[in-house]
Amino acid sequence: SQTIHQWPATLVQPVGSPLSLECTVEGTSNPNLYWYRQAAGRGLQLLFYSVGIGQISSEVPQNLSASRPQDRQFILSSKKLLLSDSGFYLCAWTKGQATYEQYFGPGTRLTVT
Amino acid sequence: DAKTTQPPSMDCAEGRAANLPCNHSTISGNEYVYWYRQIHSQGPQYIIHGLKNNETNEMASLIITEDRKSSTLILPHATLRDTAVYYCIALPTGNQFYFGTGTSLTVIP
Repeated sequence: SQTIHQWPATLVQPVGSPLSLECTVEGTSNPNLYWYRQAAGRGLQLLFYSVGIGQISSEVPQNLSASRPQDRQFILSSKKLLLSDSGFYLCAWTKGQATYEQYFGPGTRLTVT
Repeated sequence: DAKTTQPPSMDCAEGRAANLPCNHSTISGNEYVYWYRQIHSQGPQYIIHGLKNNETNEMASLIITEDRKSSTLILPHATLRDTAVYYCIALPTGNQFYFGTGTSLTVIP
């Protein structure tokens, strides 16, 4: 069966510090991968998605970046965090074009202080 | 992608049916209606999707009007564990999802 992992589960970082969140999927190959952010009391915002290794599409221009160094690994990064980067970060995957069912990870709650 | 409109919040008594409405008046012929839910501090969970016909699975039923301009998600016997935010999304298969703010459903004992 397929599983999706995210770490860390929670993170408190000062403004201006770097960020690296990792997401890995097990039990499938060549998944589509997604990063979402949910600010407090808000809906989910799609940040990045990837259909293959090294292929990243950005939905929202900001100080975040994403990389996919391996088929089942998706990394969200920032060189300098802003207060507005605080939120709940979710990674998700789908199999190919069957995007009707996205499988979400447990999420990382980031607080920028 | 069609814009969807949902009430911000609803209450439902435990054991009763929860009927969650969604308006998608600008939906086009190739756009599916998807429903997800998000329990507090967890990632969203897929519930059901449909194009024109009504659909039912072990979690819920989806009723789509004949003109496809609105739909209703039905949880037949709501339990406390169904308390969550429910998202209605309309888009063609293969496009990316954009989750709005959804409907916050509270099931009351």
